[in-house]
Amino acid sequence: GQQVMQIPQYQHVQEGEDFTTYCNSSTTLSNIQWYKQRPGGHPVFLIQLVKSGEVKKQKRLTFQFGEAKKNSSLHITATQTTDVGTYFCSPGGSGNTGKLIFGQGTTLQVKP
Amino acid sequence: EAGVTQFPSHSVIEKGQTVTLRCDPISGHDNLYWYRRVMGKEIKFLLHFVKESKQDESGMPNNRFLAERTGGTYSTLKVQPAELEDSGVYFCASSATRGTEAFFGQGTRLTVV
Repeated sequence: GQQVMQIPQYQHVQEGEDFTTYCNSSTTLSNIQWYKQRPGGHPVFLIQLVKSGEVKKQKRLTFQFGEAKKNSSLHITATQTTDVGTYFCSPGGSGNTGKLIFGQGTTLQVKP
Repeated sequence: EAGVTQFPSHSVIEKGQTVTLRCDPISGHDNLYWYRRVMGKEIKFLLHFVKESKQDESGMPNNRFLAERTGGTYSTLKVQPAELEDSGVYFCASSATRGTEAFFGQGTRLTVV
C-alpha cells in the first residue's frame, strides 16, 4: 500500500516564524490530503491536492504538490499560537482500495 | 447535519475486560474507517468499511479486535479481552466516496489498567 514519510517529526518555532512540513512518497500519488489535529482534538481536513505542481493557499497556509506527484509540502507563514497541533498528510495512490492512511505527522509547537 | 459521533468519549477498564466502542458516521457516508492514535504518535489505520462490508482490515492488530457494521450504518469496535497496550484514542471517520474528505469523530479515549 501507499506509504509516506513526513519530516520533521517535531518543530518548535517562535511566534511569527515560518514553518514547513514535508510529505514524501516513493511512488506516484493520485492525490494527497492534509489534516490538522489540535492537542486533545480530532483530525480535521484541510485540503486535497490532485494536480501535478498544484499550489493552493488558505490564508497563511500554502500547500504544494510536487511535479512528479511524489511529494507535498505545507508551509505556514508567520505562525501564530493557534497553529499549534499535528499536521498529517494522507496519500491517495493508484490501486489504493480507498482506505485513508496517514503519515507520521509533524507536531508544531509555537512559542509566544 | 450531525457529524461523526463516537461513544463513549472515555473508557477506563481493567485488563481482561471487554469494551465496545460505537461510531455513528455522517448519514449517507458509505465509507467508515477506524483508527488508533497512541501517545501522540501516528494515526494508525485499523480497518475500512464500505457500507456493511469490510473493505480492508489489514490494520487490525489481532483477533481480540472485532469490528462490525451491521446494516451499513453505525459501527462497533469490540476489544475482548483488553490488554494494556490497547490504550489510546480510537477515532472513527467517514467519507462519502473513496478518497474524498474524511470527517472524524471526537474519538474514544481508552485506558486499560
